[in-house]
Amino acid sequence: QVQLQQSGPGLVKPSQTLSLTCDISGDSVSSNIAAWIWIRQSPSRGLEWLGRTYYRSKWYNDYAVSVKSRITVNSDTSKNEFSLQLNSVTPEDTAVYYCARENDVGAIDYWGQGTLVTVSS
Amino acid sequence: DIVLTQTPLSSAVTLGQPASISCRSNQSLVHSDGHTYLNWLHQRPGQPPRLLIFKISNRFSGVPDRFSGSGAVTDFTLQISRVEAEDVGVYYCMQETEFPVITFGQGTRLEIK
Repeated sequence: QVQLQQSGPGLVKPSQTLSLTCDISGDSVSSNIAAWIWIRQSPSRGLEWLGRTYYRSKWYNDYAVSVKSRITVNSDTSKNEFSLQLNSVTPEDTAVYYCARENDVGAIDYWGQGTLVTVSS
Repeated sequence: DIVLTQTPLSSAVTLGQPASISCRSNQSLVHSDGHTYLNWLHQRPGQPPRLLIFKISNRFSGVPDRFSGSGAVTDFTLQISRVEAEDVGVYYCMQETEFPVITFGQGTRLEIK
């Protein structure tokens, strides 16, 4: 059974960097058939895919156009985790952030518990 | 960009009665590999979404058989044959055909009448 455990601060000041980590159990971040993604949810934007990282003989990253200039998704194989960094945040980045696994049939089958991140001074 | 439009936005159903949610795409969701990556999620209040149906009509592990998905190309439907109390929440369609982009419908809220 795959489990994803998120960690990171719930409050970030405007213009600073939002950082979250997702610990994986029951699978490997360097799996050749899974991908690891970040999604956020807010009342104004609904569910919004942000980015993914995955390993297929080498590491790949994909990012949503809306955040491409500000986002980095990294993996740490020694800790079996992946992370999200979102720079230069504004109050519009306030949302519940989820990490999740994308499986080999093109579906998001496991989700982290979610982290409410509020951007406020 | 693919836009998914769900109808209705909310629905109140009597326990034991059927429910149906529509998801319409502004573009074909048939991938060049022949598969259609249209999935359905269910979210209860305070919880993350969970996968119900993948590739139009395949139930994910542990999903009751009262849930079924159908459709093709641009028009898709999620049906619940007999609504139970635990089915309340918000249902989302989502697409992964336009890889690497993932998009979601705006959600349909289901409540018990």
